[in-house]
Amino acid sequence: AQTVTQSQPEMSVQEAETVTLSCTYDTSESDYYLFWYKQPPSRQMILVIRQEAYKQQNATENRFSVNFQKAAKSFSLKISDSQLGDAAMYFCAYRDSGNTPLVFGKGTRLSVIA
Amino acid sequence: GAGVSQTPSNKVTEKGKYVELRCDPISGHTALYWYRQSLGQGPEFLIYFQGTGAADDSGLPNDRFFAVRPEGSVSTLKIQRTERGDSAVYLCASSQPAAGPGTEAFFGQGTRLTVV
Repeated sequence: AQTVTQSQPEMSVQEAETVTLSCTYDTSESDYYLFWYKQPPSRQMILVIRQEAYKQQNATENRFSVNFQKAAKSFSLKISDSQLGDAAMYFCAYRDSGNTPLVFGKGTRLSVIA
Repeated sequence: GAGVSQTPSNKVTEKGKYVELRCDPISGHTALYWYRQSLGQGPEFLIYFQGTGAADDSGLPNDRFFAVRPEGSVSTLKIQRTERGDSAVYLCASSQPAAGPGTEAFFGQGTRLTVV
């Protein structure tokens, strides 16, 4: 079974600085998808960024980018120019090709210090 | 609807009682997922519907948990003889498989179930 590991239960960053959240995963599949979701106190999971495993180019979405290392099974999230609104739980998730359910890590709580 | 809607937002029930949690997915989304999120943990998969049928119910913890989606839209998660360990946030998500395998799953705001 696939597993997702987030080794940083909590992280903090100064406003306007850059922070990187770590994620590793385990799979025997060659084709799959990786996601980062943000969960604010409202509880609603919001997609931040996604990466297709067959694409070598790292995904970027405005201030959010990933460092995808397929051989190392690593998928870290970099948040640049951190804003107070970025404070939330961040979950790394994995999905096989197809519409199989997402497998989530335990999350990283990000605090942004003004 | 504009987004995934879950009702109630919060539910407090006594140990041993029966509860139903409702999920109204985005209109046209054929895939629907239920997850359970315990305090301080990531969401854990419970059951996945494709249309009206349960495509994968391997995450249901025991036979006290059951879910239906009779018309391929609204889904109800049913928990019998609730136990204090069932206390968690129950999240529902929907997606449109026709959009491709990497398509985004849209989540509701969850139902926080507290069993006292």
